[in-house]
Amino acid sequence: AQKVTQAQTEISVVEKEDVTLDCVYETRDTTYYLFWYKQPPSGELVFLIRRNSFDEQNEISGRYSWNFQKSTSSFNFTITASQVVDSAVYFCALGSGGGADGLTFGKGTHLIIQP
Amino acid sequence: DTAVSQTPKYLVTQMGNDKSIKCEQNLGHDTMYWYKQDSKKFLKIMFSYNNKELIINETVPNRFSPKSPDKAHLNLHINSLELGDSAVYFCASSHERLAGGSTDTQYFGPGTRLTVL
Repeated sequence: AQKVTQAQTEISVVEKEDVTLDCVYETRDTTYYLFWYKQPPSGELVFLIRRNSFDEQNEISGRYSWNFQKSTSSFNFTITASQVVDSAVYFCALGSGGGADGLTFGKGTHLIIQP
Repeated sequence: DTAVSQTPKYLVTQMGNDKSIKCEQNLGHDTMYWYKQDSKKFLKIMFSYNNKELIINETVPNRFSPKSPDKAHLNLHINSLELGDSAVYFCASSHERLAGGSTDTQYFGPGTRLTVL
């Protein structure tokens, strides 16, 4: 069975601080995909990134960066110079080619950016 | 130009009623999904469906049934609603060639908040 653990239930930082959201996953599949989604207070789920298990290169997109470490089964997400608009619940998710699991989501990390 | 749309956005109903939630995607995707988000914000897959195959999460009660009139639509029918069905239901779609796979990016609708009184 697949599992995604986001141990940080809630993080609160002051605007402009850097913040890292942790994600640890478990899977027996050799080919799998990792995702991050953002759920702002308005409730929609916004896709942020998708990485496959063979690509461990870190990714940067503006103030967002992702660190994929296969050795520790982690796919952490860092926001640099956080802004109030970054306040949301962030979900890490795991997907693979087989089974009926759909995407397996972590329980989410509620990020609060204080002005 | 909404990619994945759902109606209604809010649904309030009495226990025992039957209701439907509609979902449409204009992305040309092959596979559609329904997820349930509970009060603690935990997201769980309910169904995965393309025009050939339906995959049902074994924990979903058979009061829930997806209906797909065509490739761009996957509606969710719920019979005999119970208090525990109150949740936010999300529809999603992806290019996934087969139901049950989850390798391609899934794009989500805005969600339908169902409240059962």
